[in-house]
Amino acid sequence: GAGVSQTPSNKVTEKGKYVELRCDPISGHTALYWYRQSLGQGPEFLIYFQGTGAADDSGLPNDRFFAVRPEGSVSTLKIQRTERGDSAVYLCASSSFPLAGGRTDTQYFGPGTRLTVL
Amino acid sequence: GQQVMQIPQYQHVQEGEDFTTYCNSSTTLSNIQWYKQRPGGHPVFLIQLVKSGEVKKQKRLTFQFGEAKKNSSLHITATQTTDVGTYFCAGWDNYGQNFVFGPGTRLSVLP
Repeated sequence: GAGVSQTPSNKVTEKGKYVELRCDPISGHTALYWYRQSLGQGPEFLIYFQGTGAADDSGLPNDRFFAVRPEGSVSTLKIQRTERGDSAVYLCASSSFPLAGGRTDTQYFGPGTRLTVL
Repeated sequence: GQQVMQIPQYQHVQEGEDFTTYCNSSTTLSNIQWYKQRPGGHPVFLIQLVKSGEVKKQKRLTFQFGEAKKNSSLHITATQTTDVGTYFCAGWDNYGQNFVFGPGTRLSVLP
């Protein structure tokens, strides 16, 4: 595709509900990243995939957050029992090569999904 | 854990003035990347620096990586209104354990 796409662009949900956020990376990119960005802050790393496997999920804040990438392309970030503190913009990025011990590649970011938990 | 700080947090300049933002890491970085995020937009990659003391230029933008690989700077000469946005540095620590974004410097350019 032309770039990284994310759906939905906006999601409003109630506290306690379950949400899924979708990311379509650039075609052929092996690495996919999820970040969370709160207002006035830099992106906060959540998880990254190399192919189908989660190579690093150390940034997931707790077990309510889970992400999958079953076929090595599209990824879904899943949040259970949402809390008001989960409100943020969730950014997805992809790159040709994965992060690997100091070797980094250009990350192309999607437009993000703005999640609001009421 | 690794911390990346940026100063200033905000900068307002008159169009035509120069601008500099500084990025400082609590640990040695393997490399550093700079991103620009326009208001309402998403981060866009600008450049990556790898070598100690490295300096790279992109038109009016000059990027520098410190000798100790713990700090970096972005300098914009003769700012334009199109330079408005938040500039983030991001780095991978030397142990390959963490990739962290700084909090960003928000630049406003007054015409």
